[in-house]
This record gives sequence, C-alpha cells and structure tokens, in this order.
Amino acid sequence: QVQLVESGGGLVKPGGSLRLSCAASGIRFSDHYMSWIRQAPGKGLEWLSYISGGGTTIYYADSVKGRFTVSRDNAKNSLYLQMNSLRAEDTAVYYCVSSFSSINDYWGQGTLVTVSS
Amino acid sequence: QSALTQPASVSGSPGQSITISCTGTSSDVGGYNYVSWHQQHPGKAPRLIIYDVFYRPSGVSNRFSGSKSGNTASLTISGLQAEDEADYYCNSYASTSTRIFGGGTKLTVL
Repeated sequence: QVQLVESGGGLVKPGGSLRLSCAASGIRFSDHYMSWIRQAPGKGLEWLSYISGGGTTIYYADSVKGRFTVSRDNAKNSLYLQMNSLRAEDTAVYYCVSSFSSINDYWGQGTLVTVSS
Repeated sequence: QSALTQPASVSGSPGQSITISCTGTSSDVGGYNYVSWHQQHPGKAPRLIIYDVFYRPSGVSNRFSGSKSGNTASLTISGLQAEDEADYYCNSYASTSTRIFGGGTKLTVL
C-alpha cells in the first residue's frame, strides 16, 4: 500500500533552517506530482508547494516563496523541503502529499516543526 | 491568496443531511472544476473525500456528495453518522497555479 513518511522536523530557532524529507513507497513515485501542506497548532490547512513528477514545474504559496525550496529525487523516491529564515508562524505539522486533490491523493502522517527561541 | 470562506461550524442529528459551503472567487472556485474536500479527524491526517467538484475516491461513502454553483462549492453529507464528526476543508485550484484551502468547518453530530 502507499506509504509516505516525513522526517526532519524538530525545534529550530527563529531565523534558522531545517530540511524536511518524505520517503515514498507503494507508488511509482516519478508519476506523481507532490505537495507540501502544513497545519499550525489548532489551525486549518495551508497549501505550501507543488512539484511535478519530473521536478521541472514548481509553485509556492506567497507565504513561503523565497524562503522554502521544494525538490525531489526520483531515484530515491524522496521529496524534500528546505526551509530557511524560519519564523514563529512557520510552527506547524508539515504533511507530504502525493497527487494532492486527485484520485491518487495520499497523505503522510506529518512531521512537527517548532520555531522558537 | 485569500482563504476560501467556509462556515466555522455546522451541526446535525444522526440521519439528517447537512451542507457545508465553500465560497471563493472567479479566480479559483468559479473558474475551475478543481474543488476538493478533505475530512480530518482529531489527531489524524486529512483524507480526501471529494475531488474535481463531485467525484468520490473509492472507499468513500456515497453519503458524501459535492457540487458547485458559480463561486460557491458545497459538500453535502446525507444520513449523518457519529463517525462523520470531524473537520472538513475545501480546496480549489487558483489562477496563480496554486491551491487555496478554506478555513475549515467543524461538524458536530448531535
């Protein structure tokens, strides 16, 4: 079955950086566009980024554009999110999602990122 | 990129039907048939229940249905059951090639 496992979350100071990873199994990874979506504690969902199956097309939400970079390694069935210049408001659970909002929509269990001094 | 507008909460009794609205603009909900709905139980990851306005993934009960009129999409849950109590989020593709979520609706089954 499809499994998406996020890792790399943790506590980081404001202004710091963190790199999240998402390991995929059970799908032909390169066939799936991937997204990162986050949820601040007690808040709603926020779409952050999209990367096409081949990695050539990328989009970001305005809230993270210029600070976050999404990438993927299809040989390793892995998705990444490099997060720089982190702020307190970036504190959230970060979800990796395959083929978001399509018939092949699958979510990981999320990884918690806490930005605090 | 303003969030889509959803009611903060709705409620209904077992067996009843409820509808959750999701209002956007002609640049998102009204402009594309790419509206989806996700269900989220406390402490769990969201689960897709409707995509492309009205399609249901396999395994999703036919008690869930989606529709759209103009800039407003709707999710209807018929024959409410206790396990339907959850948060529901709409999402739409937008003209900026991004996706926008609604603020979420908490469904309480009385």
